[in-house]
Amino acid sequence: EAGVAQSPRYKIIEKRQSVAFWCNPISGHATLYWYQQILGQGPKLLIQFQNNGVVDDSQLPKDRFSAERLKGVDSTLKIQPAKLEDSAVYLCASSLDSWTSGLESSYEQYFGPGTRLTVT
Amino acid sequence: AQKVTQAQTEISVVEKEDVTLDCVYETRDTTYYLFWYKQPPSGELVFLIRRNSFDEQNEISGRYSWNFQKSTSSFNFTITASQVVDSAVYFCALSDDTGGFKTIFGAGTRLFVKA
Repeated sequence: EAGVAQSPRYKIIEKRQSVAFWCNPISGHATLYWYQQILGQGPKLLIQFQNNGVVDDSQLPKDRFSAERLKGVDSTLKIQPAKLEDSAVYLCASSLDSWTSGLESSYEQYFGPGTRLTVT
Repeated sequence: AQKVTQAQTEISVVEKEDVTLDCVYETRDTTYYLFWYKQPPSGELVFLIRRNSFDEQNEISGRYSWNFQKSTSSFNFTITASQVVDSAVYFCALSDDTGGFKTIFGAGTRLFVKA
């Protein structure tokens, strides 16, 4: 079974530029998550999709970050314009379902390798 | 408020030593879930274990064991006879009802296992 795919793996941009990350979840997984992991910290949830609907985006800086999951499969996360403090690893994860399913095992999250973003 | 504290930033051991990674959590809910993830140098977080708040049984999986104690709000992780391949960052995480079951991660503990 293929895992969660992300691209690019690395990206270096200057502040005020824009950047986009792509994620392809595990086939059949309804729930997709984007996390931001700043160096030395644990991942922080930015946005959670259930199929193509947003479940939680309370920690997404909506003035500069946007995300979409068209057709409930692939997802893109965009930053425009980027700031120095956006330097981090952006992790995508997917799960079979979410807590709404009532099945604990369906909530296990599978993570991709991440995209390391450096903003100079 | 939900919070996960991993007080140990880095731990260094010699191969074959046992090591315990500490995790203390805060939640007001009676229903919650605790997790441990491993993040090797490749960067992908790997799910290790999930425990719900109603199940305080300790669990052993090979060289890994977990001790869940609600009385002290702790969910500690022990690696027995550590190996070099255990070198990674380990994250403890919490999901609870108040947080909409959003997963809150601790800051992680970096484990170095030297040959």
